[in-house]
Amino acid sequence: EAGVAQSPRYKIIEKRQSVAFWCNPISGHATLYWYQQILGQGPKLLIQFQNNGVVDDSQLPKDRFSAERLKGVDSTLKIQPAKLEDSAVYLCASSQEGDEDTQYFGPGTRLTVL
Amino acid sequence: DQQVKQNSPSLSVQEGRISILNCDYTNSMFDYFLWYKKYPAEGPTFLISISSIKDKNEDGRFTVFLNKSAKHLSLHIVPSQPGDSAVYFCAASGTYKYIFGTGTRLKVLA
Repeated sequence: EAGVAQSPRYKIIEKRQSVAFWCNPISGHATLYWYQQILGQGPKLLIQFQNNGVVDDSQLPKDRFSAERLKGVDSTLKIQPAKLEDSAVYLCASSQEGDEDTQYFGPGTRLTVL
Repeated sequence: DQQVKQNSPSLSVQEGRISILNCDYTNSMFDYFLWYKKYPAEGPTFLISISSIKDKNEDGRFTVFLNKSAKHLSLHIVPSQPGDSAVYFCAASGTYKYIFGTGTRLKVLA
């Protein structure tokens, strides 16, 4: 079974630039999550999708972050404009409907904002 | 306000001995707890979980203990192996929203 795929793996940008991350969840997984993991901290949930609807985006900084999940499969997370404090690893995870307690994580995208 | 805390940032254990990783939480509404293991440059992988209706769950070398009155859970690894060297995150869930701890880096010495 293929795991959660994310790209790019690494990205370096300057502050005020824009960046987008892509996630392809495990086939058939209805729920998709984006987490932000700052160095030395645990992952923090940014947004949770159930199919293509948003379940929870309470911790998403909506003035600069946006996310979408087209057709309930792939998802993109965008930051525009980026700030220095956005430097982190962005993790995508997915889970099966009815088993949301078990999440499968992708390898993450490491973002460095200079 | 950190609702899930792992107060030991690192732990070193001799191969073959027991590793005990601890986690404390503050929100009594959490009803499901998980441990994830993370190797460098990889995403966290699910290790073991426990529901709040239990106080112990075992899977091979890994056992998770839950003390609800103390709001404390621990992960025991027996015997520890060099391949267990990784960062371990505990996570607490209420209505499917995960709150992660800051992680404990375990190093198993050969």
